[in-house]
Amino acid sequence: DAKTTQPPSMDCAEGRAANLPCNHSTISGNEYVYWYRQIHSQGPQYIIHGLKNNETNEMASLIITEDRKSSTLILPHATLRDTAVYYCIVRVANNAGNMLTFGGGTRLMVKP
Amino acid sequence: EAGVAQSPRYKIIEKRQSVAFWCNPISGHATLYWYQQILGQGPKLLIQFQNNGVVDDSQLPKDRFSAERLKGVDSTLKIQPAKLEDSAVYLCASSQDRYEQYFGPGTRLTVT
Repeated sequence: DAKTTQPPSMDCAEGRAANLPCNHSTISGNEYVYWYRQIHSQGPQYIIHGLKNNETNEMASLIITEDRKSSTLILPHATLRDTAVYYCIVRVANNAGNMLTFGGGTRLMVKP
Repeated sequence: EAGVAQSPRYKIIEKRQSVAFWCNPISGHATLYWYQQILGQGPKLLIQFQNNGVVDDSQLPKDRFSAERLKGVDSTLKIQPAKLEDSAVYLCASSQDRYEQYFGPGTRLTVT
């Protein structure tokens, strides 16, 4: 699996957009970018994933650069409940399952 | 739909004792995972099942850890004997496709 690099922590004001960067310069052509988050004392929660194109769902948007070496997760209007550790994971999706290798993640603190 | 269920939520044991954790995945999910999360780190995969067969147990310390998934539904993870370094949160996850994993709340184990 390609290694990812994320800043260890970030702050964001409530109501503003939170932009969480991730570098994955060694990503292969068949590897997807996944984002999960983990709120304190809970299990990780899937947010979004993408291969090449930008993706959007009800939780967030994922922007992947054209060379696919980096991506940004965007929470458009951060709330206090978005305070969590956000993990960027790069992995091949295959039929045998989808093992996730978690790094240290980014601890996002949303402040009032 | 009901989420991934785990029990117990908390367990405190002394070193060299045995302990077992139980997981009930989301109905219909063929793939089940056990992760270990040490405080301050991201989750680490211990074992992955596809139905009742093991797909990957390369990171499972087999001298003390064992896991089974009888009938391809519920799963049990056992530690015998426990060591101090086994203190962690043990997370169970399940999936039905190649992309999204659903995590349970975890079992927090403290070994004294």
